[in-house]
Amino acid sequence: DQQVKQNSPSLSVQEGRISILNCDYTNSMFDYFLWYKKYPAEGPTFLISISSIKDKNEDGRFTVFLNKSAKHLSLHIVPSQPGDSAVYFCAAIESGTYKYIFGTGTRLKVLA
Amino acid sequence: KAGVTQTPRYLIKTRGQQVTLSCSPISGHRSVSWYQQTPGQGLQFLFEYFSETQRNKGNFPGRFSGRQFSNSRSEMNVSTLELGDSALYLCASSLELRPTEKLFFGSGTQLSVL
Repeated sequence: DQQVKQNSPSLSVQEGRISILNCDYTNSMFDYFLWYKKYPAEGPTFLISISSIKDKNEDGRFTVFLNKSAKHLSLHIVPSQPGDSAVYFCAAIESGTYKYIFGTGTRLKVLA
Repeated sequence: KAGVTQTPRYLIKTRGQQVTLSCSPISGHRSVSWYQQTPGQGLQFLFEYFSETQRNKGNFPGRFSGRQFSNSRSEMNVSTLELGDSALYLCASSLELRPTEKLFFGSGTQLSVL
């Protein structure tokens, strides 16, 4: 039972264009969401987060959008750079238990 | 400040054996959690420890166990290894587990079961 789903296993984008990574969740008890980036042979690193009381959070080239009614969040990267090529995981934190649930990941390739 | 350290980096075992993986969190971090990464499955939560107590557990069989020591270092043990246990095992630490607290991951231990 995958409570956090990233339905696109991979995505290719031209350098300078927008990358949009999507994530859907099923558990209404999730109240905090995060995105992590993972390079090969390294552990994931935190990228950006959003509380369930907000619908948007921005940090430089990265913006996360949350649509609670649709149980959907997305990560926008503008402009995309070759160094952004990595696997991106969305994660949700369950209220009360503080249990982190990760998605299956999306491999982003930014083409120069 | 040193990051999260996991040892060993690579491990090859055969079916039926057992294995112990080690994780040293960032100094001062009291929460340590473990994840299994396999292709197509993402990061599956194994368990989380805080001040030597297991606070959360994922949906893994009892062959997977862990513990945390008084210095916050943690070990994970897998007994009676199966081929399907081949995966990257990641450890993460945080100061304490609050909803807004981000995780700091180690580079992982790549376990291959033959």
